[in-house]
Amino acid sequence: DAGITQSPRHKVTETGTPVTLRCHQTENHRYMYWYRQDPGHGLRLIHYSYGVKDTDKGEVSDGYSVSRSKTEDFLLTLESATSSQTSVYFCAIRASGPQKETQYFGPGTRLLVL
Amino acid sequence: AQSVTQLGSHVSVSEGALVLLRCNYSSSVPPYLFWYVQYPNQGLQLLLKYTTGATLVKGINGFEAEFKKSETSFHLTKPSAHMSDAAEYFCAVKSPMNFGNEKLTFGTGTRLTIIP
Repeated sequence: DAGITQSPRHKVTETGTPVTLRCHQTENHRYMYWYRQDPGHGLRLIHYSYGVKDTDKGEVSDGYSVSRSKTEDFLLTLESATSSQTSVYFCAIRASGPQKETQYFGPGTRLLVL
Repeated sequence: AQSVTQLGSHVSVSEGALVLLRCNYSSSVPPYLFWYVQYPNQGLQLLLKYTTGATLVKGINGFEAEFKKSETSFHLTKPSAHMSDAAEYFCAVKSPMNFGNEKLTFGTGTRLTIIP
């Protein structure tokens, strides 16, 4: 499972409140990603990180920010949650070595914004 | 820009029958190709991938896929469906040029139902 955990696994929040999701990995991978999954859209990249303090935007980054202050943790923040951000959020890492082109996914966080 | 089309959002097959899930891609260069499976309320699990070399790739759980450049396809097959194969399957593509091309582009998924 590539040693990826996500917290919380489920969250219900209200419109306008800030929300932070955490992704934690135990295998020192350099690249980490945040995706959202919505019916009819598959998974779409929100942000990714290629090292501590090094991040870049994905295709659906509006309304989201990220931070990576240490290798093992990648945080996704919704500064002011909206109902359109109700989704399932997946963290992923890019493997190194022989599997270096492969991304492995965490178990997901189900977020409901009321 | 790259894109992925999965034909058929829902596919039903009888237990023991052939499974065929279709994936076509659009990319300016031959991409890396992946199939992932997602069981209910779980994350995505890698089934198989094509990067270079042999165009017929074998994955876990008896699945295989063939990269056909001329048809821009990467269809997933399994000779004999099992009840445990019921899940959602996602095809994904990635540019082989890493710098600035980190994105995995996913198809919209195919839900596979197995009929007893």
